[in-house]
Amino acid sequence: DIQMTQSPSSLSASVGDRVTITCRASQGIRVDLGWYQQKPGKAPQRLIYGASNLQSGVPSRFSGSGSGTEFTLTISSLQPEDFATYFCLQHNNYPITFGQGTRLEIK
Amino acid sequence: EVQLVESGGGLVKPGGSLRLSCAASGFTFSSYDMHWVRQVTGKRLEWVSAIGTAGDTYYPDSVKGRFTISRENAKNSLYLQMNSLRDGDTAVYYCARGRGYSSDWYSFEYWGQGTLVTVSS
Repeated sequence: DIQMTQSPSSLSASVGDRVTITCRASQGIRVDLGWYQQKPGKAPQRLIYGASNLQSGVPSRFSGSGSGTEFTLTISSLQPEDFATYFCLQHNNYPITFGQGTRLEIK
Repeated sequence: EVQLVESGGGLVKPGGSLRLSCAASGFTFSSYDMHWVRQVTGKRLEWVSAIGTAGDTYYPDSVKGRFTISRENAKNSLYLQMNSLRDGDTAVYYCARGRGYSSDWYSFEYWGQGTLVTVSS
């Protein structure tokens, strides 16, 4: 199974800050990775697909990069609505696996 | 507009069974793989099963032999039959749209709102 190690597990930041979240895959997954935002009691919302492609309708302050085993999600200037949990998902191979999530909190 | 609506969750005793349904609309259901994913509150998401457009199925070891995924394209519906349920199966269960038209770009683009399954005596 491909293990997805996400860091940090939690992060405190202020509105306007730039933040970066990382996912590391235990083996190469090409660019078969998505980034998601999830708010309490809600379904996940896809932000990035194919490691670096911005989902339609998602603000351009979100960006993704990486390939193979190292991936990052960057939020260039945090907005109040961005405080949520973020996770990565790899779909290169079964079983599909997820990062453990990063809880982004207001400082 | 793509919509996925889960139903069928509820309270069941350990060892019991439950069948979840996911009603799909707004896309050509038969052209996409479909998935079930679950989440224990505050925990990492866990992929539960997948079914391809040809009816091929996939499971992680944690549910293999207990859960069965199926689809009924004529009704735009996805199902998850869960047997021999355990306390550890308690979670919110989501259906999600997978790969379509030979493109991975569609994978996990859309998710339902989830249905809660509670396994408890």
